[in-house]
Amino acid sequence: DAGVTQSPTHLIKTRGQQVTLRCSPKSGHDTVSWYQQALGQGPQFIFQYYEEEERQRGNFPDRFSGHQFPNYSSELNVNALLLGDSALYLCASSLGGLGDGYTFGSGTRLTVV
Amino acid sequence: AQSVSQHNHHVILSEAASLELGCNYSYGGTVNLFWYVQYPGQHLQLLLKYFSGDPLVKGIKGFEAEFIKSKFSFNLRKPSVQWSDTAEYFCAVKGSSGSARQLTFGSGTQLTVLP
Repeated sequence: DAGVTQSPTHLIKTRGQQVTLRCSPKSGHDTVSWYQQALGQGPQFIFQYYEEEERQRGNFPDRFSGHQFPNYSSELNVNALLLGDSALYLCASSLGGLGDGYTFGSGTRLTVV
Repeated sequence: AQSVSQHNHHVILSEAASLELGCNYSYGGTVNLFWYVQYPGQHLQLLLKYFSGDPLVKGIKGFEAEFIKSKFSFNLRKPSVQWSDTAEYFCAVKGSSGSARQLTFGSGTQLTVLP
């Protein structure tokens, strides 16, 4: 049990569509980070949410947006999907975003056709 | 911002062989260093981490890593691998300030252990 729950596990979308991915953090964690992992690559940082605000952002276009709810769960939204957005999207939770490593979920596999 | 380089993309070993996976990072300040493992079909799991103190850190499943500050390296080692160690291994670094305070991963090393 990863402690971090992501849904859905798999998703197929058409180019140009929009998608929403969801993440519930590990109990006791208040910070959620999102990563994109393309096939054969390491996870790339998208953004991090803390206290319902985006605290840090990686090198991703504005088509990628997010939200954090009062219960610390989070959503990742991607608009105007491109074929290149096909990847495994990982959610990681932590406490205060500092220190002791992150706990990762199993990810959502997004395929854009 | 920091970056992480893992030089070995795919390593193939026989059981009982010794393992060393290279990891180098670039960042001028204080860093926290991590090794994660991703078994087939499973989520990323923390193997070990270095924050400060003894540069030789021990993790789960017999893995250890040594932080060599002068070489900006954090290599992962295991004296005797098992078939169950087959997985992808990621080195990651977290800087201490500004935009560096995000966990940055290397591209990973796929380890295949032959029975």
